[in-house]
Amino acid sequence: AQSVTQPDIHITVSEGASLELRCNYSYGATPYLFWYVQSPGQGLQLLLKYFSGDTLVQGIKGFEAEFKRSQSSFNLRKPSVHWSDAAEYFCAVAGGTSYGKLTFGQGTILTVHP
Amino acid sequence: KAGVTQTPRYLIKTRGQQVTLSCSPISGHRSVSWYQQTPGQGLQFLFEYFSETQRNKGNFPGRFSGRQFSNSRSEMNVSTLELGDSALYLCASSFGQETQYFGPGTRLLVL
Repeated sequence: AQSVTQPDIHITVSEGASLELRCNYSYGATPYLFWYVQSPGQGLQLLLKYFSGDTLVQGIKGFEAEFKRSQSSFNLRKPSVHWSDAAEYFCAVAGGTSYGKLTFGQGTILTVHP
Repeated sequence: KAGVTQTPRYLIKTRGQQVTLSCSPISGHRSVSWYQQTPGQGLQFLFEYFSETQRNKGNFPGRFSGRQFSNSRSEMNVSTLELGDSALYLCASSFGQETQYFGPGTRLLVL
């Protein structure tokens, strides 16, 4: 069964600092990998996705993520965080016969200090 | 192109009642998936519908059911509501089985 682990429940950074959110997945073959962001009381917004090809993917709002098969990781990065990036971030995996089923990590809450 | 819409946005019910939530996918999208989000369990997959057929199902009791209509709109129903069913219910649509785009959710409170 596929699974996702986000080791950090809560991360605090200062505005302008760099950010890395960790995500580790468990899946037998090449998965589809996603990062979503959720603001309080809102739905999920897609930041970026990896299906195949270049292992460094660019997303919206200046985010990028790198797929590392050897480490089963798909970490999200941003070089300079803005106060508006404060939200909860979810890593998700899909694959096999269940591409329509996303398995999510527990989420990482990002707090940004001015 | 309009995004995924969900109605109602907020709902209050009492234990034992039933509830129906509605989801309208992005135009042209044929797959609709439903998720439950709670503080304790996080985001959990309920089921997926494609062309009016349930294609995947999560590990939820039979009180949770869904359906999809010929115009791809979907409904989910929860019968005999329990306090633990209080959650944010999210609907997502996709063209095939690739990227899922989420709606704003329906927040259900069971008293």
